[in-house]
Amino acid sequence: RKEVEQDPGPFNVPEGATVAFNCTYSNSASQSFFWYRQDCRKEPKLLMSVYSSGNEDGRFTAQLNRASQYISLLIRDSKLSDSATYLCVVNGRSSNYQLIWGAGTKLIIKP
Amino acid sequence: DAGVTQSPTHLIKTRGQQVTLRCSPKSGHDTVSWYQQALGQGPQFIFQYYEEEERQRGNFPDRFSGHQFPNYSSELNVNALLLGDSALYLCASSSSWTGNTGELFFGEGSRLTVL
Repeated sequence: RKEVEQDPGPFNVPEGATVAFNCTYSNSASQSFFWYRQDCRKEPKLLMSVYSSGNEDGRFTAQLNRASQYISLLIRDSKLSDSATYLCVVNGRSSNYQLIWGAGTKLIIKP
Repeated sequence: DAGVTQSPTHLIKTRGQQVTLRCSPKSGHDTVSWYQQALGQGPQFIFQYYEEEERQRGNFPDRFSGHQFPNYSSELNVNALLLGDSALYLCASSSSWTGNTGELFFGEGSRLTVL
C-alpha cells in the first residue's frame, strides 16, 4: 500500500460546479498535511495547509479526518483557472523532515 | 526577492554519464530538499540539506549524492545514469524556523532526459 494515495482522475468538471478530492494516508502518526497545486509542466505550489479543525480559503475548503486517515479538498464554484493537478502531501513515517507526496489528482474544468 | 532558482532547465545525457544540478534557495531560507518527479507521478523525496549536511534521505541509491554550500545553495549529483533517471528534478527551499510545517518553495526544476 502506498503511504499517500489519491484518485488520479482526471476529473472533468463543468465550470461553476463543486468538486471534491480525497486522499488517504497510512501513517497514523502524521502531523502535517498540505494540498499543493501543480500546473502542467510547472513546479508545485502550496494551495493550503490542512488543520485538524478544517480550514477554508475562499472557494477552497480542506478537511482532516484522523480516525479514517484521510484528508479532503473541496472546490466550490470552479473556474477554468482551477484546472491543474492537486497533490496531497503528508509528513513521512520515518522522519518529520520527509514529506510524502501523492501522485496527484488531475482536474479539468470545462467551459 | 529572488525565488528558488535551478540550473540547467533542460539537459540530455546518455546512460553511464554523470550529471550535476544546481539550486539557489529563496532568500532567507537555509534548508534545501531535492525531489525527483517522473511523468504522471508525485515528487519523490531524495534528500534534504541543512547546515551543509544531509539531514534526511529518501529511498534513493548512493548514485544520488548532494552538497550544500555555506551560502545555502545546493547541488545534486547523479552518477552512472540509467534510463529510469529521466525525470523532472525539483529543488525546494524552506526555513528551519518553520520546520516541517512550513511551506516549501520550489524552483521550476531541471528536466533530465537520459538516452
